[in-house]
Amino acid sequence: EAGVVQSPRYKIIEKKQPVAFWCNPISGHNTLYWYRQNLGQGPELLIRYENEEAVDDSQLPKDRFSAERLKGVDSTLKIQPAELGDSAVYLCASSFDGQAREFGPGTRLTVL
Amino acid sequence: GDSVTQMEGPVTLSEEAFLTINCTYTATGYPSLFWYVQYPGEGLQLLLKATKADDKGSNKGFEATYRKETTSFHLEKGSVQVSDSAVYFCALSDVTGGFKTIFGAGTRLFVKA
Repeated sequence: EAGVVQSPRYKIIEKKQPVAFWCNPISGHNTLYWYRQNLGQGPELLIRYENEEAVDDSQLPKDRFSAERLKGVDSTLKIQPAELGDSAVYLCASSFDGQAREFGPGTRLTVL
Repeated sequence: GDSVTQMEGPVTLSEEAFLTINCTYTATGYPSLFWYVQYPGEGLQLLLKATKADDKGSNKGFEATYRKETTSFHLEKGSVQVSDSAVYFCALSDVTGGFKTIFGAGTRLFVKA
């Protein structure tokens, strides 16, 4: 069975440019998460979806970040405009039971 | 709020040495506890978990026991291999927090041949 799929794996952009990340969770996992992982730190939750509903977006910087999961399966995370401090690894994860997470390989974003 | 504290790394060991990575937590409820491992260039993978006090999680030779009295979940392995070199994250998930998972900062392990 395929794991969580993310693309792209790497992205380099200049500040003020937009960027989007895509995630396809494990089939049957209704819960989907987007995390940001800064260098040398653990993942920090940005947003959690239950099916197509965003049930926890309290840590999402809504002035520049947006996310969607229109059909309750795959999801996109967008940053517009990107800032230097957004450089990080963006991890997507999914869960069947709401506890253990299955993580994707992440997208490493570098903002110049 | 809930939190997880791990020992700082990096931890450098020789092959076949004994490994301990300390993890303590604070939580308002009765959380489930996890260890995740992240190999270079990859996402996190669940290594083991324990859902209640005195439970022992184990996988691939790694073990951790949920100690409620000391609020700890230390990761141990009797004989490490070079292939165990990775970053290890302790985490908790608490139903009172809506199953929001809190991760520690991670501990990097280097195993030398």
